[in-house]
Amino acid sequence: DTEVTQTPKHLVMGMTNKKSLKCEQHMGHRAMYWYKQKAKKPPELMFVYSYEKLSINESVPSRFSPECPNSSLLNLHLHALQPEDSALYLCASSQADVLYYGYTFGSGTRLTVV
Amino acid sequence: GQQVMQIPQYQHVQEGEDFTTYCNSSTTLSNIQWYKQRPGGHPVFLIQLVKSGEVKKQKRLTFQFGEAKKNSSLHITATQTTDVGTYFCAVRLDSNYQLIWGAGTKLIIKP
Repeated sequence: DTEVTQTPKHLVMGMTNKKSLKCEQHMGHRAMYWYKQKAKKPPELMFVYSYEKLSINESVPSRFSPECPNSSLLNLHLHALQPEDSALYLCASSQADVLYYGYTFGSGTRLTVV
Repeated sequence: GQQVMQIPQYQHVQEGEDFTTYCNSSTTLSNIQWYKQRPGGHPVFLIQLVKSGEVKKQKRLTFQFGEAKKNSSLHITATQTTDVGTYFCAVRLDSNYQLIWGAGTKLIIKP
């Protein structure tokens, strides 16, 4: 299995809603990432988990809450989002012990906040 | 902090013409990665370069890493409609898991 699976593919939520994005991989990668991508821009790092521990939090607002239940799963809990949070949210994974290794991205969740 | 400048922002070509995108840094890079993102899609890893002067080929795609390891290029020969998308370079920092991304070059095939 060489894929990163993200659900849902599309999500529309109100500013008072709570929702979660899910990500799963079975490649044995021990580093997992959440990225946010706005149109015509490169991906922007939000969080990094290494061996199921949060290792990087790029000053992301607390309305985004990551969780890594095990080495294959990564969640992003969303609460009280703003319209400017509308974007493509990408999950990615890579080997943690190999310094130079490409990232495998999921197909993303296209989020619209109304 | 580390920055990577990528040019051009857009390139319009006729099908069958060549395409090149460039990434430059003011500091020496330990590595550079290239990704392709199709319209409406997600980034897909193409290749990684780590050695000075390295050249790698994937069919019609040629990737180069400069002798001084401060620049890299991706060249596509005889573009096809399947090549359409945005090509990003990215540098993985030695100290952690972060990727520093170029702004991307969008390849557009003229009708």
